[in-house]
Amino acid sequence: GENVEQHPSTLSVQEGDSAVIKCTYSDSASNYFPWYKQELGKGPQLIIDIRSNVGEKKDQRIAVTLNKTAKHFSLHITETQPEDSAVYFCAASSNYQLIWGAGTKLIIKP
Amino acid sequence: DAGVTQSPTHLIKTRGQQVTLRCSPKSGHDTVSWYQQALGQGPQFIFQYYEEEERQRGNFPDRFSGHQFPNYSSELNVNALLLGDSALYLCASTDSYSEKLFFGSGTQLSVL
Repeated sequence: GENVEQHPSTLSVQEGDSAVIKCTYSDSASNYFPWYKQELGKGPQLIIDIRSNVGEKKDQRIAVTLNKTAKHFSLHITETQPEDSAVYFCAASSNYQLIWGAGTKLIIKP
Repeated sequence: DAGVTQSPTHLIKTRGQQVTLRCSPKSGHDTVSWYQQALGQGPQFIFQYYEEEERQRGNFPDRFSGHQFPNYSSELNVNALLLGDSALYLCASTDSYSEKLFFGSGTQLSVL
């Protein structure tokens, strides 16, 4: 079945710098790759997603890239702000189910 | 517009007991999925309900069962609770044509 690996588990960046989180997946049939942000005490919130027929998608300070050949996709956050501090999860859709990575705790240092 | 609502927010049970968790989907959504999230891990898919039937199921034992009502709300039932069932249980809704999931804040279940 599908397996999603996410790195790093913790990422600490200076406010204003960029943050990059990477994920790899195993099932070449996966065709939908969302990213979720989870703040303490809340459920995950969809922040951006990409389909396998697209290589890159951008929404203001957030962008996602997908390399189907290598089976990896990445989340890029530019000009990080304190409110970006949270746990970020990648996921891959396989057989109509979302398989999730283990999460990355993003810490924004003032 | 109310989002996904879950109740209760917290619950404490003892081993062997049974528990029922409830979820109301976002307005306009007809599909409800349940996830289990252990501390420090990503959510694990339990099952999905559409048109009052279980459409997909993850790798969870039969102790986990669910139901969807005509108004699209849903329940998750867990029988014979184990210590390892302690987790945050998340409900997510979507419409049948989308893969974009909207999550509730979850029910934190502690099994003692």
